[in-house]
Amino acid sequence: DSGVTQTPKHLITATGQRVTLRCSPRSGDLSVYWYQQSLDQGLQFLIQYYNGEERAKGNILERFSAQQFPDLHSELNLSSLELGDSALYFCASRAGTRPTNEQFFGPGTRLTVL
Amino acid sequence: GQQLNQSPQSMFIQEGEDVSMNCTSSSIFNTWLWYKQEPGEGPVLLIALYKAGELTSNGRLTAQFGITRKDSFLNISASIPSDVGIYFCAGQKETSGSRLTFGEGTQLTVNP
Repeated sequence: DSGVTQTPKHLITATGQRVTLRCSPRSGDLSVYWYQQSLDQGLQFLIQYYNGEERAKGNILERFSAQQFPDLHSELNLSSLELGDSALYFCASRAGTRPTNEQFFGPGTRLTVL
Repeated sequence: GQQLNQSPQSMFIQEGEDVSMNCTSSSIFNTWLWYKQEPGEGPVLLIALYKAGELTSNGRLTAQFGITRKDSFLNISASIPSDVGIYFCAGQKETSGSRLTFGEGTQLTVNP
């Protein structure tokens, strides 16, 4: 158990809909990262938050957004869903202090868009 | 998006055999991480490497940070059936806190 929790485990929805994925980092970790894992693209970085502020953006679509709340949990919002958005979505957390760069992953949310 | 070149893509071995896999990149990374993922689960961190040339072990696993900073290697000795899974390398460019760039993964199958 990495200490990172994600809900829900599975999500099935229809095209055009909007969903919210939730992540709680390990206790005390300030950074949250979101990754998408699909068969054709592998594991791809989406976005990073540090202590409530957006820190870096990767291959994140404009239809997707995220935020990190004062209690450090994070939500990834996916809107106007398309079939191609079906994937596993992981969040990872990292302690805010050096020297470790280690990111610990949650169990993921499997999103299926029908 | 950018990915690391990881090989082999898959391996089928007998229990007790040693396994080697590697990851290469055209650019330099400051940190290399190795993860294992099992079906329905998130990647689990196995080993983290922070210095060029560093050799680090975790039980039967040994990983090395290439001296060029553009590659890394993972060895598993005396494989057992529970080693089955997908192994990913991941590189991190900045000194801390930045995104991970992942390899395509090596699917390992161990026959008892």
